[in-house]
Amino acid sequence: GESVGLHLPTLSVQEGDNSIINCAYSNSASDYFIWYKQESGKGPQFIIDIRSNMDKRQGQRVTVLLNKTVKHLSLQIAATQPGDSAVYFCAETGYQKVTFGIGTKLQVIP
Amino acid sequence: KAGVTQTPRYLIKTRGQQVTLSCSPISGHRSVSWYQQTPGQGLQFLFEYFSETQRNKGNFPGRFSGRQFSNSRSEMNVSTLELGDSALYLCASSLTTGDNYGYTFGSGTRLTVV
Repeated sequence: GESVGLHLPTLSVQEGDNSIINCAYSNSASDYFIWYKQESGKGPQFIIDIRSNMDKRQGQRVTVLLNKTVKHLSLQIAATQPGDSAVYFCAETGYQKVTFGIGTKLQVIP
Repeated sequence: KAGVTQTPRYLIKTRGQQVTLSCSPISGHRSVSWYQQTPGQGLQFLFEYFSETQRNKGNFPGRFSGRQFSNSRSEMNVSTLELGDSALYLCASSLTTGDNYGYTFGSGTRLTVV
């Protein structure tokens, strides 16, 4: 079946360094991708999205890259801060369907 | 504008009981989806409602049901609770079914079954 997976379940990063969280997806028909951040005890929070007609999109300290050739999505966080510690999910969406990855836990080391 | 509101935030129930959770979507959003989140399982899709009709359903037993009202608010019900139903239940709203742009989650309801 179709699935979205994450390459690394846990990522530890030194404060101030850049973080890269990866995601592989399998449905080539997916046309919209979202990254969410989920802090302990809270619901997933939208971070950034990208449509399939783009390969890069930048936000504040975050960049999402989409490589449709290899069905790969990544989230880059610049100058990682302690407040970035959370679980990050990627999601792929197509018509009437949203599929989420398990999530990657980002730990920021002070 | 107000986000997605889920109530209650926490619930403790005993096995065999039933429970009803509520979700109020963002104003103007007409699609509401429900998910179960457990450690190690990620987000498991329960069902989606749009225009008071269930549009999609995940692989959960019939004990899990839902409904949507004319104001787009949605409820989900779990009957005959089992210990394994302990989880964070999340709802997400979007403008319409078929277009998940703006898919926004609530803070969830933490259900503990003892």
